[in-house]
Amino acid sequence: QSALTQPPSASGSRGQSVTISCTGTSSDVGGSHYVSWYQQYPGKAPKLMIYEVNKRPSGVPDRFSGSKSGNTASLTVSGLQPEDEADYYCSSYAGRNNFVFGTGTTVTV
Amino acid sequence: EVQLVQSGVEVKKPGESLKISCKGSGYSFNTHWIAWVRQMPGKGLEWMGIIYPDDSDTKYSPAFQGQVTISADKSISTAYLQWNTLKASDTAMYFCARRRDHRHDFWGQGTRVIVSS
Repeated sequence: QSALTQPPSASGSRGQSVTISCTGTSSDVGGSHYVSWYQQYPGKAPKLMIYEVNKRPSGVPDRFSGSKSGNTASLTVSGLQPEDEADYYCSSYAGRNNFVFGTGTTVTV
Repeated sequence: EVQLVQSGVEVKKPGESLKISCKGSGYSFNTHWIAWVRQMPGKGLEWMGIIYPDDSDTKYSPAFQGQVTISADKSISTAYLQWNTLKASDTAMYFCARRRDHRHDFWGQGTRVIVSS
């Protein structure tokens, strides 16, 4: 399966909002309730930020929110903070125990 | 506390074999799928495959089928990723991650593999 498509970069000033898109197909994003988002700092392991489209694990600030429409999922970071500067990857369950990641987006604050 | 601890950096030559590990603790290792994810230098995450330690049921991404072998030893709560013949293009960081439902909720710290003559 092909990687999900994300914009290479996104930016915003401190306190502003930024939204990252993640476009797939009806075989993954469009046909799945299971879209996740991961944050990764350079040289570190990814961290789960959003799962099942719009749910936040314990400890993730409510500034992070997710949504989905058709074949495109989105991650919004509201009230940007300097520590939000990182790479973000979406992921979708693609059926039959397969997963696919997005191409990744670098967020600059 | 859930932890996945991976083996250390590996420096190998093309043609050599390699097996890296991922040891789980703080949860029921046998009954949670473990996935492997590749990240080539400066690139994005690529989902390689997954194993269920209790019965070693394994699924590979088509891109990695036949290129690597995923295995597990449930008696020591450890999953493995193995290559028989390394290539320079296998140079990457490799992460293991626990699958919970349809997300990867805990990750290992990564194992850096360098393949160079």
